[in-house]
Amino acid sequence: EVQLVETGGGLTQSGGSLRLSCAASGFIVSNTYMTWVRQAPGKGLEWVSVIYKGGSTYYADSVKGRFSISRDNSKSTLYLQMNSLRIEDTAVYYCATDDGGDKGGGFDSWGQGTLVTVSS
Amino acid sequence: QSALTQPASVSGSPGQSITISCTGTSSDIGSYDLVSWYQQHPGKAPKLIIYEVTKRPSGVSIRFSGSKSGNTASLTISGLQAEDEADYYCCSYAGRNTPGYVFGTATKVTVL
Repeated sequence: EVQLVETGGGLTQSGGSLRLSCAASGFIVSNTYMTWVRQAPGKGLEWVSVIYKGGSTYYADSVKGRFSISRDNSKSTLYLQMNSLRIEDTAVYYCATDDGGDKGGGFDSWGQGTLVTVSS
Repeated sequence: QSALTQPASVSGSPGQSITISCTGTSSDIGSYDLVSWYQQHPGKAPKLIIYEVTKRPSGVSIRFSGSKSGNTASLTISGLQAEDEADYYCCSYAGRNTPGYVFGTATKVTVL
């Protein structure tokens, strides 16, 4: 069974940093792409970042230069390093994946989400 | 990376069919058959219901179907049921400008 478990969320001040982790099981993280998606309170989904099978990484303009996505294949874990946090980064952060690598951009497995709150 | 445009709300009676539109640009929906749709109930993580414009993951009801024409994708829910009341999001690969993704603005489906 595929499972994704996010940790690392919490309360931090504007300008601070946090690192989110997403522990994966039931599939091999290096065999597919994994992504971070966030949802501000009462708002819609926003794509944040992706790491592809070959290791290429891409970011939404809103986080480019501040966030960094990475993965540790040996630990089956995806990370999101978030620096220079802003109030508008407050959201539930989900990690998601196409665990079979065959859904053409569709993310069929999601974690439960972790809440990041940035205060002034 | 502007969000794809969806109607804010759509409603229908049980048993009816409804269609949700998702309008993008020639840089995303218009260039790739990599449109997916997600259903999200309050307090829950999103669930993939359509990928690659028309395909349904295993276990998803055949009442959900997808299509695309030009820069606009659509999700149709047939035989509307109470459990379909949720938020729905489209998503497209947007690789022409940035090899990433873009979500739609969300549609709240209400079953009358």
